[in-house]
Amino acid sequence: GAVVSQHPSRVICKSGTSVKIECRSLDFQATTMFWYRQFPKQSLMLMATSNEGSKATYEQGVEKDKFLINHASLTLSTLTVTSAHPEDSSFYICSAPRQGNEKLFFGSGTQLSVL
Amino acid sequence: ILNVEQSPQSLHVQEGDSTNFTCSFPSSNFYALHWYRWETAKSPEALFVMTLNGDEKKKGRISATLNTKEGYSYLYIKGSQPEDSATYLCAFITTGANNLFFGTGTRLTVIP
Repeated sequence: GAVVSQHPSRVICKSGTSVKIECRSLDFQATTMFWYRQFPKQSLMLMATSNEGSKATYEQGVEKDKFLINHASLTLSTLTVTSAHPEDSSFYICSAPRQGNEKLFFGSGTQLSVL
Repeated sequence: ILNVEQSPQSLHVQEGDSTNFTCSFPSSNFYALHWYRWETAKSPEALFVMTLNGDEKKKGRISATLNTKEGYSYLYIKGSQPEDSATYLCAFITTGANNLFFGTGTRLTVIP
């Protein structure tokens, strides 16, 4: 099946630093990548949708200047949490649809802890 | 934000028992309902994509039904095995949207 590789799986950083999360589609071209966030005991919530070669679309309430998304190639999308603060501590996960397939293919997620 | 509810939140069953859980979603503007299995430290894996009212899909010991008029889907596991232990997520898409609204999941633990 299709594989989406997400790194890092876990990161601990100091408040004020920036963290980059990468998602790569290993065996298919991902023209679209969805970025989700999950707080404890809550559901996966869509943050933004990245499209290769164009600007990302952000959901209401998600600051685009804080969560920078880049989708420069058909196999790589990145999410950068800029000037991270403790309230940004969360689980972040990416997923991509594959052409001709209705299912989503997920990365394995990144647990971000901001001290 | 659309409300997708799953119940129960968690479930413990003995190996060999059959079990089922529920996903409730808004019945208007239905497009599709997804089920995913999410094992700890792994990626969520798609089980089923269901689009038609009355749909019933099966994959091995796991099956799912869909009622779009009343807004619910059931997931059934027959003869549960320890390897079935995972969180089962359902997600809903409305017409005109391209993103999924997820429930909080049902965490299943199968006791050997």
